[in-house]
Amino acid sequence: DTAVSQTPKYLVTQMGNDKSIKCEQNLGHDTMYWYKQDSKKFLKIMFSYNNKELIINETVPNRFSPKSPDKAHLNLHINSLELGDSAVYFCASSQQQGLNIQYFGAGTRLSVL
Amino acid sequence: DQQVKQNSPSLSVQEGRISILNCDYTNSMFDYFLWYKKYPAEGPTFLISISSIKDKNEDGRFTVFLNKSAKHLSLHIVPSQPGDSAVYFCAALYNFNKFYFGSGTKLNVKP
Repeated sequence: DTAVSQTPKYLVTQMGNDKSIKCEQNLGHDTMYWYKQDSKKFLKIMFSYNNKELIINETVPNRFSPKSPDKAHLNLHINSLELGDSAVYFCASSQQQGLNIQYFGAGTRLSVL
Repeated sequence: DQQVKQNSPSLSVQEGRISILNCDYTNSMFDYFLWYKKYPAEGPTFLISISSIKDKNEDGRFTVFLNKSAKHLSLHIVPSQPGDSAVYFCAALYNFNKFYFGSGTKLNVKP
C-alpha cells in the first residue's frame, strides 16, 4: 500500500498541450510538496501546501498550477507545455511543515516533444 | 545558484569498506541537514539528519559529520553493503521551512 502515489509514472506529450499529474498520500500528513528534478539532477522545490493552503511558491511559471482539493491530494496542472518542462516531477508529503521527514512518491517522468 | 552541492556524481566502493559521500553548502543559515537515499524508479527516502548545532550524528552503519566552518558535511557508511548501492541526496533546511537538495551521488558497492 503505497504511502505517496503519483500518476502517471510516465507522460509523453506534445508542446502546447495541457496535462495534469496527480498525487495522493495516505499518511494523514498535513503538508505536501512538488519538486522538479532538472537535467542536472537537482531536486528543486516548486510548491508546498499545508492543509490545502499554499505555503511556498517558488519562481515557477504560472503555467504550473497546483490544486489541493483536500489535504491528501496535491495535483499539478501544467498549461501550454514547453520543451524545458521535460523533467522528473516528485510529489512528497510530511506530517507538518518544517523539520519533518518528507515521504516521496516514485516520480513522474514528463517528456515534452 | 545552487546552495547545496554534491561534486562527486558517482562513487565506487568495495563491500565491507567505508563509503564517504560529501556535500558542500553556501548558506551558513541552514538549520538542519539531511541525507536521502534513492533507488531506481523510487522516490528518495530519508536516511539520517543532523542539526546545525551538532557536528556528528550516528545511526547504525551511518554517520553524518558536519563541519560548519568549512560548510561541509559528509555521510560515512561502514561497512558498506551491496544493498547500499543507490543515489544519495544531501539536503539542507532553511528557516525550518524550505529544503534545498543537491544533485546526488551514485554509490556503487561492489561485492
